[in-house]
Amino acid sequence: EVQLLESGGDLVQPGGSLRLSCAASGFTFSSFAMSWVRQAPGKGLEWVSGISESGGTTWYADSVKGRFTISRDNSENTLCLQMNSLRAEDTAVYYCARGVVAPGLWGQGTLVTVSS
Amino acid sequence: DVVMTQSPLSLPVTLGQAVSISCRSSQSLVYSDGNTFLNWYLQRPGQSPRRLIFKVSNRDSGAPDRFSGSGSGTDFTLKISRVEAEDVGVYYCMQGTHWPRTFGQGTKVEIK
Repeated sequence: EVQLLESGGDLVQPGGSLRLSCAASGFTFSSFAMSWVRQAPGKGLEWVSGISESGGTTWYADSVKGRFTISRDNSENTLCLQMNSLRAEDTAVYYCARGVVAPGLWGQGTLVTVSS
Repeated sequence: DVVMTQSPLSLPVTLGQAVSISCRSSQSLVYSDGNTFLNWYLQRPGQSPRRLIFKVSNRDSGAPDRFSGSGSGTDFTLKISRVEAEDVGVYYCMQGTHWPRTFGQGTKVEIK
């Protein structure tokens, strides 16, 4: 089955760090660029970061640049998002999605809560 | 960043009604290769977003043919020819031409 499965969401204190993972299955992971998109509680969608097929090129929203790092392991079919210096406004459900131009496959999301 | 502006933000509808959602971008979405990367998504309550339309007017497999997309440059429209109960949710446009990618605020469709 073609799917994306996120994990790693948790409750973390402001200033803390968290690493999200996304396991891909059912398709050739290394052939697709990938994205992270988030949704704060009751709010709309916000694109966060993207990475090229090889991992050699990355892109970030200004709101996370310098704090978040996207990476991938094509041998393990895994996408990651390292989140540092977390703020209350980073609280959201984080989705991984296949593609950076027109993401067409989305995971179920993982909840990150930043609170003391 | 490219600002995507949707209207209306709330859309109460009657089953069987035809509806349109507008999406306008602050810059042209025409890419250097001539393609226009404007997508439409539906997020049903409690679910992940699902893509309906890509590159303005290309309907995804599995998306009912009552959904259609149109537009060019900075002005785009999603039309539902006859609303069904399963169409309830929030619709988002998203541009895939410029970095960073950006979404519209969302249009909530609900049954009257």
